[in-house]
Amino acid sequence: GAVVSQHPSWVICKSGTSVKIECRSLDFQATTMFWYRQFPKQSLMLMATSNEGSKATYEQGVEKDKFLINHASLTLSTLTVTSAHPEDSSFYICSARVGLAGGHEQFFGPGTRLTVL
Amino acid sequence: KNQVEQSPQSLIILEGKNCTLQCNYTVSPFSNLRWYKQDTGRGPVSLTIMTFSENTKSNGRYTATLDADTKQSSLHITASQLSDSASYICVGRGNYQLIWGAGTKLIIKP
Repeated sequence: GAVVSQHPSWVICKSGTSVKIECRSLDFQATTMFWYRQFPKQSLMLMATSNEGSKATYEQGVEKDKFLINHASLTLSTLTVTSAHPEDSSFYICSARVGLAGGHEQFFGPGTRLTVL
Repeated sequence: KNQVEQSPQSLIILEGKNCTLQCNYTVSPFSNLRWYKQDTGRGPVSLTIMTFSENTKSNGRYTATLDADTKQSSLHITASQLSDSASYICVGRGNYQLIWGAGTKLIIKP
């Protein structure tokens, strides 16, 4: 159980275009999902926290108008990179939080490799 | 300032050998400490989660230790296999946030 999927697994796009990445919890409902970005040889950096039915909370330095997050259902959150530029090329990973006995746990998706030409 | 530091940055060992990865953390308030395995081009997968009251926890060939007094943790891998090649990330959980270490890149050579 607790499987998180992402689609697409990789995408190449031209500079200036927008790219949408989907994150789905396959066998559980997640009121909270997280979006991370990971540059080569670096650890994950939290971009935003996505709550179902409400606006996302963005980390300092992350442009909310550039990285649009929609969490319309308990199993789906989307990240849209608008007007992508080469510096947005990165590995984007989502995670979904699920309540367990004794607390919460995050389960991570497989990631989406974005390359902007 | 909350932070997690890992060492070594990278490590190469021969298949079958053991190794130990280190993690020093400053996370306040401290909730728990996690070790994740991240294969190249994949999302992290949880190996262990330890609260301050737990000193050691095992998951197969992976054994994590935690010293809440010195704020240090280690991940010991026994009888390494080629599939253990990955980045191992130490993560401290504070108040509703995860503090990520930079990871140790482990390479297992045949």
